[in-house]
Amino acid sequence: EAQVTQNPRYLITVTGKKLTVTCSQNMNHEYMSWYRQDPGLGLRQIYYSMNVEVTDKGDVPEGYKVSRKEKRNFPLILESPSPNQTSLYFCASNPGTSDPQGQYFGPGTRLTVL
Amino acid sequence: AQSVAQPEDQVNVAEGNPLTVKCTYSVSGNPYLFWYVQYPNRGLQFLLKYITGDNLVKGSYGFEAEFNKSQTSFHLKKPSALVSDSALYFCAVRDSGTYKYIFGTGTRLKVLA
Repeated sequence: EAQVTQNPRYLITVTGKKLTVTCSQNMNHEYMSWYRQDPGLGLRQIYYSMNVEVTDKGDVPEGYKVSRKEKRNFPLILESPSPNQTSLYFCASNPGTSDPQGQYFGPGTRLTVL
Repeated sequence: AQSVAQPEDQVNVAEGNPLTVKCTYSVSGNPYLFWYVQYPNRGLQFLLKYITGDNLVKGSYGFEAEFNKSQTSFHLKKPSALVSDSALYFCAVRDSGTYKYIFGTGTRLKVLA
């Protein structure tokens, strides 16, 4: 089944404790992206990747890191989480970078930073 | 800079009536426009897109959207609403000159039986 998977689905952590949210897609998509969803703010793009080893900042990259060492994986790293990073996070993938298609979204990761 | 506006936080419509969810955008180049739907406790699902060509695009679940370049709008429509259409709807835009996506703040659609 074609899908985007994220782990963990739920995470409660404390300020400053490094964490990684994994994202994997099995569709050989070039483009992958991370978003956060907050009430009243909609979805905001954190980082995106056009292909392996090619990443760029979205609208809200502060406090986050990403890497794209393999085509299928695009982990989101919070080196020192803070309470303002409490949010619902979505990973998404897209078949092409130059040819815009609809994105496939993962199920979401609900992160709480205490 | 790119931007998207969804002016209505919530839209209520009676089952069987036509529905419209509004979206306006701003880009410097040519727009790529998208609609997504989010059901409770789920990820987003792609509904339809406008890249080029016919201004009226049809998508999943009977939804359609009309691209209006002069009004910079891309409103989502359905001729006859179902209770099961109740969900959160997001409009998104990507400027043809970038790889960045901008999403609106979302419109909650409530279809009343």
